[in-house]
Amino acid sequence: QSVVTQPPSASGTPGQRVTMSCSGRSSSIGSNSVTWYQQLPGTAPKVLIYSNNQRSSGVPDRFSGSKSGTSASLAISGLQSEDEADYYCAAWDDSLNGYVFGTGTKVTVL
Amino acid sequence: EVQLLESGGGLVQPGGSLRLSCAASGFTFSNCAMSWVRQAPGKGLEWVSAISDNGGSTYYADSVKGRFTISRDNSKNTLSLQMNSLRAEDTAVYYCAKRVEGTWYYFDYWGQGTLVSVSS
Repeated sequence: QSVVTQPPSASGTPGQRVTMSCSGRSSSIGSNSVTWYQQLPGTAPKVLIYSNNQRSSGVPDRFSGSKSGTSASLAISGLQSEDEADYYCAAWDDSLNGYVFGTGTKVTVL
Repeated sequence: EVQLLESGGGLVQPGGSLRLSCAASGFTFSNCAMSWVRQAPGKGLEWVSAISDNGGSTYYADSVKGRFTISRDNSKNTLSLQMNSLRAEDTAVYYCAKRVEGTWYYFDYWGQGTLVSVSS
């Protein structure tokens, strides 16, 4: 059972803004930076956002991340069909002495 | 170009053992910490284990502690995961992942994964 929770699903129509949350604890998100990964169907994950709000190379600026306290969020503005994927937040957990992934959010483009 | 190529997956009976390997290329392997991450069928990502750049420090998820051993050979640019006492719940695609160099903790490159199935 993951100690970092995300809503199981989110959806929107093309062009809409979609946001998803990521809730952790003081020893994980509260103490360390958050990374967001995108996993397209049948592929390995790829990093979208690191250090809470820094876009990885080649990631469109319609993806943005933020963090406050023990929570983080990812926003996708101008939703596109190719954004349909699973999104995971993650951070190091000082108490577990390990890396923790969120439960994942499946984004559907209606 | 960074490449991570996993191998060694397959079907194994409960209680059995399997050794996964990850061949790395395109970067200075000895400078980078590495991890194994797994994904059970239809489920989310689960971090399994990590090893420091020189192999001196290792870390494990509670779910595999005492059963799995991570190791590396920097002379051969190879990462390994020895899995013993396998259980049905270890069935998953296992990814080799490279930690980014520097202070941030995230994985900037992933392999394509190798499937481990534990079943009688």
